[in-house]
Amino acid sequence: QVQLQESGPGLVKPSQTLSLTCTVSGGPISSGDHYWSWIRQPPGKGLEWIGYVYYRGGTFYNPSLKSRLTISVDRSKNQFSLKLTSVTAADTAVYYCARRVVGTIVTSSWFDPWGQGALVTVSS
Amino acid sequence: QSVLTQPPSVSGAPGQTVTISCTGSSSNIGATYDVHWYQQLPGTAPKLLIYANNNRPSGVPDRFSGSKSGTSASLAITGLQAEDEADYYCQSYDNSLSGNWVFGGGTKLTVL
Repeated sequence: QVQLQESGPGLVKPSQTLSLTCTVSGGPISSGDHYWSWIRQPPGKGLEWIGYVYYRGGTFYNPSLKSRLTISVDRSKNQFSLKLTSVTAADTAVYYCARRVVGTIVTSSWFDPWGQGALVTVSS
Repeated sequence: QSVLTQPPSVSGAPGQTVTISCTGSSSNIGATYDVHWYQQLPGTAPKLLIYANNNRPSGVPDRFSGSKSGTSASLAITGLQAEDEADYYCQSYDNSLSGNWVFGGGTKLTVL
């Protein structure tokens, strides 16, 4: 059974870069039609999809974050990572990594499983 | 403001049935894209509850069911139990520039 675990600094200063890593266990990251995703949830608010990476390196980002975002994969470590530059207080959130599962067609995709989440606070 | 609209809260007594709506538009649910639902228990990560409109992953009780019609979708919970108290989110695909994978704002279910 695949499990995901986020790791990284819990505090980032404004204008700096937020970096998180997701470690995948219980199966290879380079398996099937799966896309490795990041989703965030500001305190007390709803969910926002950030982007995803395919194990071969292809990426797709939320247009609202695209200019500041890089998601990459390291198959040798069974990990994928998120880098978000020029952060502000608005980027304070719990960041989840999740596997995007593709259904019968690519637009029918859902997220399962999810990591436990990592709270990142942007503050000086 | 979320692309998919959900009521902020719903409530029901144990044993009752509640329904949570998820309203979209012609660029997401109305474009026949599938809807998926997640349950987020307090202090935990979201968990997949319903996928592709009306399918339950293994281990999800059949008290949970989903449906979709036009630009809206619904999650129904029958035989409400105290452990169902949680936040529920719908999710779909959107073909506009608002970000392709979109979520509803979430609905807090209170079991009275």
